[in-house]
Amino acid sequence: EVVMTQSPATLSVSPGERATLSCRASQSVSSKLAWYQQKPGQAPRLLIYGVSTRATGIPARFSGSGSGTEFTLTISSLQSEDFAVYYCQQYSNWYTFGRGTKLEIK
Amino acid sequence: QVQLVESGGGVVQPGTSLRLSCAVSGSTFSSHDMLWVRQAPGRGLEWVAVIAYEESHNYYSDSVKGRFTISRDNSRNTLYLQMNSLRTEDTAVYYCARGAIDGNYLYFWGQGTLVTVSP
Repeated sequence: EVVMTQSPATLSVSPGERATLSCRASQSVSSKLAWYQQKPGQAPRLLIYGVSTRATGIPARFSGSGSGTEFTLTISSLQSEDFAVYYCQQYSNWYTFGRGTKLEIK
Repeated sequence: QVQLVESGGGVVQPGTSLRLSCAVSGSTFSSHDMLWVRQAPGRGLEWVAVIAYEESHNYYSDSVKGRFTISRDNSRNTLYLQMNSLRTEDTAVYYCARGAIDGNYLYFWGQGTLVTVSP
């Protein structure tokens, strides 16, 4: 099983600042890496797939990068609605999710 | 507008069974793999099962293999999850989700249905 490790578990950032979230895979997942945002009581929402392709309707302040085993989600200027939990998911070898990064207001 | 609507959750005792359904509209249901993903209270996301678009293949996570069965009825645009021998650790919100054509990232999700397994 491919293990996905996200860091940090919690990230405190002020509105308007940049947030950088990391995701590491225990083996290469090529470019089959997605990011999701989840708010309390809601289903996850796809943000990024294929490492760096934004899903429909996702603002340009969200960007993804990386390859192989190391990946990053960057939110360039945090808005109030961005404070949520973020999950990475690999879909190269079945499907596994990271444990999530909670992005909270500093 | 693609919509996925789960139903069938509830409170059951350990060892019993439950069947979840997921009705899909606004999509070419038969063209996409479908998945069940669950989330235990306060925990992260866990893939449970996947079924290929043509119904010929299905696969399970180790935690449910041998107890859960995923199926689909492409004529009814509906996905199912038959859950047998339920355990307390199966307590979670269960989401159905649609895979994409070019890989099973999950573009569309249902709102989830809560399954509680309690003595």
